[in-house]
Parts: sequence; structure tokens; C-alpha cells
Amino acid sequence: QSALTQPPSASGSPGQSVTISCTGTSSDVGDYNYVSWYQQHPGKAPKLMIYEVSKRPSGVPDRFSGSKSGNTASLTVSGLQAEDEADYYCSSYAGSNNFGVVFGGGTKLTVL
Amino acid sequence: EVQLVESGGGLIQPGGSLRLSCAASGFTVSSNYMSWVRQAPGKGLEWVSVIYSGGTTYYADSVKGRFTISRDNSKNTLYFQMNSLRAEDTAVYYCARGSVTLDYWGQGTLVTVSS
Repeated sequence: QSALTQPPSASGSPGQSVTISCTGTSSDVGDYNYVSWYQQHPGKAPKLMIYEVSKRPSGVPDRFSGSKSGNTASLTVSGLQAEDEADYYCSSYAGSNNFGVVFGGGTKLTVL
Repeated sequence: EVQLVESGGGLIQPGGSLRLSCAASGFTVSSNYMSWVRQAPGKGLEWVSVIYSGGTTYYADSVKGRFTISRDNSKNTLYFQMNSLRAEDTAVYYCARGSVTLDYWGQGTLVTVSS
């Protein structure tokens, strides 16, 4: 199963919005509403930020939002803050041929 | 409070074996799907295995036949037996609750396969 495609980097100034894309195929992102987004600060474990395309776990600021169109999912971070600087990974269920999830390669978000 | 604490990582020679543990608190391991995800140094995340609440297990092709996921319900602990280790298995190994949505993660344990 191939990894999902994310841009290696993204950036924005404090207060701005930035969107990170995650492109899969009709066998994963396009076929299931099981896209998640994880935030990972250096040396730390990943943290769930968005699940099932657009749902936010308790405690995640509403500045983080998710969406999907066709085979591409997106994470939007509004009102950028310094602490949002981190790596972000998307994942998707890939069906009964895989049983687990497939991850994107990760996007390094820099707050300028 | 949900917590996952991994242990068992270390330096191991190619061809060797290692068993990772993931002690859970705040929830019951046997009632949940549990996964192992790894991250090679400087690289992205890679799903490697899942155990369903019913006991069914699945593995990524890269570890199938070499690694085994299991759990001890009495200890509320998840395990990952890794045999025939290769240099490319070098990574931080995370246990996580869930299968398609991984809502809680441990802090990770580093496995280094090198002679």
C-alpha cells in the first residue's frame, strides 16, 4: 500500500491560516471517511487532532479543521500560533486489503 | 486518565529478538483495538500491526512472519514480539489505542538494530 502524499513543508505567519493537503486514491481517502490528522512535536509522540475527516477530539482547539474532496483530504489551521509549529501526518483506512492505516509522509509546518 | 507506557527497546544485533511491552491504564486493553506504529529516525510514521478486541491480528507486509502482537488481559498490557530483526527495523515503536483512529499514543521506545 503506497503512502498518502503530503507536501513536505508549509508555512504561515502568526494569525494567518494554512492548509495542508493529503492525497490518496479511490481505495483509501476517496473510499472511506476514516481520515485522521496527527500533530507531532520534535521528540514527542503523535497527537490526534482530527478524526473521521472533520471531527475534533475533546481539547483540540477549533482552529483546527478537516475536510475531504474526492481523493484529497485537507487540514486547515486558522489563527496560527507559535505552538502550532510541528510535523503533521494524515492517515486513512485502506480497506480490507490492508486492515491497518496508511500514513502520509508528513508536513513540516513552520510559523514564521 | 488514559496512559500508555512502552518499554523493552534497546540495541540488538541483526537477527536478534526483542519483546516490547505497552502497559495501559485508564482503560481496558482487551476491550479495544490496539496498534503498533513505528517511526524510523528522521522519517514518517508507519503502521505495523493491530490486534482487535476479539483477538484477530494483522501485520504490515514488512513485518509479517517475523513480528507478533499479543496482549495479557490480566496485566492490561500489549506486547510486540520482534524476531529476525533487520537494520531497517530500527525505529521508535509506539503503541496506540485504536485501529483507524489512534486516539492515545505512548511515548515510544527506541529499537536500534545494529552490529
